[in-house]
Amino acid sequence: ETGVTQTPRHLVMGMTNKKSLKCEQHLGHNAMYWYKQSAKKPLELMFVYSLEERVENNSVPSRFSPECPNSSHLFLHLHTLQPEDSALYLCASSQESPLATNEKLFFGSGTQLSVL
Amino acid sequence: DQQVKQNSPSLSVQEGRISILNCDYTNSMFDYFLWYKKYPAEGPTFLISISSIKDKNEDGRFTVFLNKSAKHLSLHIVPSQPGDSAVYFCAANPPVGSARQLTFGSGTQLTVLP
Repeated sequence: ETGVTQTPRHLVMGMTNKKSLKCEQHLGHNAMYWYKQSAKKPLELMFVYSLEERVENNSVPSRFSPECPNSSHLFLHLHTLQPEDSALYLCASSQESPLATNEKLFFGSGTQLSVL
Repeated sequence: DQQVKQNSPSLSVQEGRISILNCDYTNSMFDYFLWYKKYPAEGPTFLISISSIKDKNEDGRFTVFLNKSAKHLSLHIVPSQPGDSAVYFCAANPPVGSARQLTFGSGTQLTVLP
Protein backbone atom coordinates (compact mmCIF):
# COMPACT_ATOMS: atom_id res chain seq x y z
CA GLU A 1 0.00 0.00 0.00
CA THR A 2 1.29 3.44 -0.84
CA GLY A 3 0.64 6.99 0.29
CA VAL A 4 -1.15 7.99 3.47
CA THR A 5 -3.73 5.63 4.96
CA GLN A 6 -6.30 6.60 7.55
CA THR A 7 -8.63 4.39 9.58
CA PRO A 8 -11.47 4.30 10.22
CA ARG A 9 -13.08 6.08 7.26
CA HIS A 10 -16.20 6.84 9.26
CA LEU A 11 -16.75 7.09 13.00
CA VAL A 12 -19.86 7.82 15.03
CA MET A 13 -19.33 8.33 18.71
CA GLY A 14 -21.21 9.55 21.74
CA MET A 15 -19.96 12.41 23.84
CA THR A 16 -18.75 10.06 26.58
CA ASN A 17 -16.88 7.64 24.31
CA LYS A 18 -13.15 7.29 23.83
CA LYS A 19 -11.91 6.48 20.35
CA SER A 20 -8.72 6.80 18.34
CA LEU A 21 -7.98 7.74 14.75
CA LYS A 22 -5.03 6.09 13.07
CA CYS A 23 -2.79 7.31 10.27
CA GLU A 24 0.07 5.53 8.54
CA GLN A 25 2.32 6.92 5.82
CA HIS A 26 4.31 4.79 3.43
CA LEU A 27 6.29 7.63 1.83
CA GLY A 28 9.34 7.68 4.07
CA HIS A 29 8.47 11.18 5.27
CA ASN A 30 9.68 12.69 8.52
CA ALA A 31 6.73 14.96 9.31
CA MET A 32 3.08 14.17 9.96
CA TYR A 33 0.08 16.41 10.54
CA TRP A 34 -3.51 16.38 11.75
CA TYR A 35 -5.94 18.76 10.04
CA LYS A 36 -9.62 19.39 10.72
CA GLN A 37 -11.96 20.21 7.87
CA SER A 38 -15.38 21.64 8.66
CA ALA A 39 -17.84 22.50 5.92
CA LYS A 40 -17.16 25.81 4.17
CA LYS A 41 -14.11 26.49 6.33
CA PRO A 42 -10.38 26.41 5.60
CA LEU A 43 -8.44 23.36 6.61
CA GLU A 44 -7.39 23.93 10.22
CA LEU A 45 -3.99 22.71 11.29
CA MET A 46 -4.22 20.91 14.62
CA PHE A 47 -0.88 19.22 15.28
CA VAL A 48 2.48 18.81 13.59
CA TYR A 49 5.07 16.15 14.37
CA SER A 50 8.59 16.22 13.00
CA LEU A 51 10.78 13.19 13.67
CA GLU A 52 8.25 12.06 16.27
CA GLU A 53 8.44 15.32 18.21
CA ARG A 54 5.42 17.58 18.41
CA VAL A 55 6.44 20.89 16.90
CA GLU A 56 3.10 22.63 16.75
CA ASN A 57 -0.15 22.54 18.68
CA ASN A 58 -2.60 25.12 17.43
CA SER A 59 -4.62 25.77 20.58
CA VAL A 60 -6.46 22.50 20.23
CA PRO A 61 -8.71 21.48 23.15
CA SER A 62 -7.27 18.80 25.41
CA ARG A 63 -10.05 16.40 24.45
CA PHE A 64 -7.89 15.81 21.34
CA SER A 65 -4.64 14.04 22.20
CA PRO A 66 -2.10 13.18 19.49
CA GLU A 67 0.48 10.43 19.61
CA CYS A 68 3.35 9.77 17.21
CA PRO A 69 5.17 6.56 18.17
CA ASN A 70 7.41 6.67 15.06
CA SER A 71 7.74 8.66 11.87
CA SER A 72 5.31 6.39 10.00
CA HIS A 73 2.41 6.34 12.44
CA LEU A 74 0.22 9.03 13.93
CA PHE A 75 -2.78 8.71 16.20
CA LEU A 76 -5.44 11.12 17.40
CA HIS A 77 -7.05 10.03 20.64
CA LEU A 78 -10.53 11.41 21.24
CA HIS A 79 -12.44 11.65 24.50
CA THR A 80 -15.51 13.54 25.74
CA LEU A 81 -15.98 15.23 22.39
CA GLN A 82 -18.68 17.77 21.64
CA PRO A 83 -21.13 17.75 18.71
CA GLU A 84 -19.27 20.73 17.20
CA ASP A 85 -16.21 18.49 16.86
CA SER A 86 -18.01 16.64 14.07
CA ALA A 87 -15.85 17.13 10.98
CA LEU A 88 -13.50 15.43 8.55
CA TYR A 89 -10.14 14.77 10.19
CA LEU A 90 -7.29 14.59 7.73
CA CYS A 91 -3.82 13.24 8.24
CA ALA A 92 -0.98 14.45 6.06
CA SER A 93 2.75 13.94 5.71
CA SER A 94 5.70 15.75 4.19
CA GLN A 95 9.38 15.10 3.83
CA GLU A 96 10.27 17.71 6.41
CA SER A 97 8.64 20.28 8.64
CA PRO A 98 8.72 23.19 8.23
CA LEU A 99 8.04 22.67 4.55
CA ALA A 100 10.83 23.45 2.15
CA THR A 101 10.06 25.62 -0.86
CA ASN A 102 8.43 23.57 -3.63
CA GLU A 103 7.48 20.86 -1.17
CA LYS A 104 3.91 19.75 -0.63
CA LEU A 105 1.71 17.84 1.76
CA PHE A 106 0.32 14.42 0.98
CA PHE A 107 -3.08 13.78 2.52
CA GLY A 108 -4.94 10.67 3.56
CA SER A 109 -8.62 10.15 2.72
CA GLY A 110 -9.72 11.33 6.13
CA THR A 111 -11.99 10.10 8.91
CA GLN A 112 -15.51 11.52 8.84
CA LEU A 113 -16.37 11.93 12.50
CA SER A 114 -19.88 12.42 13.85
CA VAL A 115 -20.34 13.18 17.54
CA LEU A 116 -23.85 12.57 18.83
CA ASP B 1 -7.99 36.58 10.38
CA GLN B 2 -7.89 34.52 7.20
CA GLN B 3 -4.66 35.09 5.31
CA VAL B 4 -5.83 33.09 2.29
CA LYS B 5 -9.32 33.74 0.99
CA GLN B 6 -11.42 32.05 -1.64
CA ASN B 7 -14.42 34.31 -1.88
CA SER B 8 -16.49 32.15 -4.20
CA PRO B 9 -17.79 29.09 -2.36
CA SER B 10 -19.11 27.60 -5.58
CA LEU B 11 -18.78 27.84 -9.36
CA SER B 12 -20.71 26.14 -12.17
CA VAL B 13 -19.30 25.87 -15.67
CA GLN B 14 -20.43 24.15 -18.83
CA GLU B 15 -18.31 21.27 -20.09
CA GLY B 16 -15.70 22.42 -22.58
CA ARG B 17 -15.65 26.00 -21.28
CA ILE B 18 -13.02 27.64 -19.07
CA SER B 19 -13.18 27.42 -15.29
CA ILE B 20 -11.49 30.22 -13.36
CA LEU B 21 -11.02 29.81 -9.62
CA ASN B 22 -9.72 32.75 -7.63
CA CYS B 23 -7.70 33.14 -4.46
CA ASP B 24 -6.55 36.24 -2.58
CA TYR B 25 -3.94 36.46 0.13
CA THR B 26 -2.90 39.12 2.60
CA ASN B 27 0.67 38.19 3.55
CA SER B 28 3.12 39.53 0.99
CA MET B 29 5.80 37.23 2.43
CA PHE B 30 4.16 34.08 1.05
CA ASP B 31 6.58 32.70 -1.52
CA TYR B 32 4.99 29.53 -2.82
CA PHE B 33 1.38 28.75 -3.68
CA LEU B 34 -0.40 25.47 -4.29
CA TRP B 35 -3.77 24.27 -5.49
CA TYR B 36 -5.29 21.10 -4.12
CA LYS B 37 -8.31 19.25 -5.46
CA LYS B 38 -10.67 17.28 -3.24
CA TYR B 39 -13.34 14.79 -4.22
CA PRO B 40 -16.02 13.77 -1.69
CA ALA B 41 -14.85 11.13 0.80
CA GLU B 42 -11.23 11.56 -0.32
CA GLY B 43 -8.32 13.61 0.95
CA PRO B 44 -7.04 16.65 -0.96
CA THR B 45 -4.58 15.85 -3.74
CA PHE B 46 -1.96 18.20 -5.07
CA LEU B 47 -2.82 19.73 -8.43
CA ILE B 48 -0.38 22.49 -9.38
CA SER B 49 1.89 25.04 -7.73
CA ILE B 50 3.69 28.29 -8.47
CA SER B 51 6.67 30.02 -6.95
CA SER B 52 6.52 33.74 -6.23
CA ILE B 53 9.33 34.34 -8.73
CA LYS B 54 6.99 33.31 -11.55
CA ASP B 55 3.70 34.70 -12.78
CA LYS B 56 2.45 31.63 -14.62
CA ASN B 57 2.75 27.87 -14.42
CA GLU B 58 1.06 25.49 -16.81
CA ASP B 59 0.42 21.76 -16.61
CA GLY B 60 -1.81 20.36 -19.31
CA ARG B 61 -5.31 21.79 -18.95
CA PHE B 62 -4.38 23.56 -15.72
CA THR B 63 -2.69 26.97 -15.51
CA VAL B 64 -2.05 29.01 -12.40
CA PHE B 65 -1.48 32.75 -12.63
CA LEU B 66 0.07 34.83 -9.89
CA ASN B 67 -0.31 38.60 -9.56
CA LYS B 68 1.92 39.58 -6.65
CA SER B 69 1.07 43.26 -6.71
CA ALA B 70 -2.61 42.40 -6.30
CA LYS B 71 -1.87 39.46 -3.96
CA HIS B 72 -4.07 37.33 -6.17
CA LEU B 73 -3.79 33.99 -7.87
CA SER B 74 -6.11 32.13 -10.13
CA LEU B 75 -6.46 28.61 -11.47
CA HIS B 76 -7.65 28.20 -15.05
CA ILE B 77 -8.98 24.88 -16.30
CA VAL B 78 -9.40 24.63 -20.06
CA PRO B 79 -11.36 22.80 -21.30
CA SER B 80 -13.39 21.90 -18.23
CA GLN B 81 -14.53 18.29 -17.91
CA PRO B 82 -17.20 16.73 -15.68
CA GLY B 83 -14.43 14.84 -13.83
CA ASP B 84 -13.04 18.21 -12.72
CA SER B 85 -16.06 18.66 -10.44
CA ALA B 86 -14.53 18.84 -6.97
CA VAL B 87 -13.60 21.28 -4.21
CA TYR B 88 -10.46 23.27 -5.01
CA PHE B 89 -8.33 24.61 -2.18
CA CYS B 90 -5.75 27.34 -2.56
CA ALA B 91 -2.79 27.20 -0.15
CA ALA B 92 0.18 29.46 0.55
CA ASN B 93 3.56 28.71 2.07
CA PRO B 94 5.40 31.29 4.19
CA PRO B 95 9.09 31.99 3.59
CA VAL B 96 12.06 30.33 5.28
CA GLY B 97 12.45 31.44 8.86
CA SER B 98 8.78 31.53 9.68
CA ALA B 99 6.64 28.68 10.99
CA ARG B 100 6.26 27.57 7.37
CA GLN B 101 3.01 25.73 7.70
CA LEU B 102 0.69 25.84 4.74
CA THR B 103 -2.25 28.22 5.08
CA PHE B 104 -5.38 27.09 3.25
CA GLY B 105 -8.39 28.89 1.87
CA SER B 106 -11.93 27.69 2.50
CA GLY B 107 -12.30 26.07 -0.91
CA THR B 108 -14.43 26.53 -4.02
CA GLN B 109 -16.83 23.82 -5.14
CA LEU B 110 -16.53 23.52 -8.93
CA THR B 111 -19.35 21.82 -10.80
CA VAL B 112 -18.81 21.10 -14.49
CA LEU B 113 -22.14 20.52 -16.22
CA PRO B 114 -22.27 18.04 -19.11
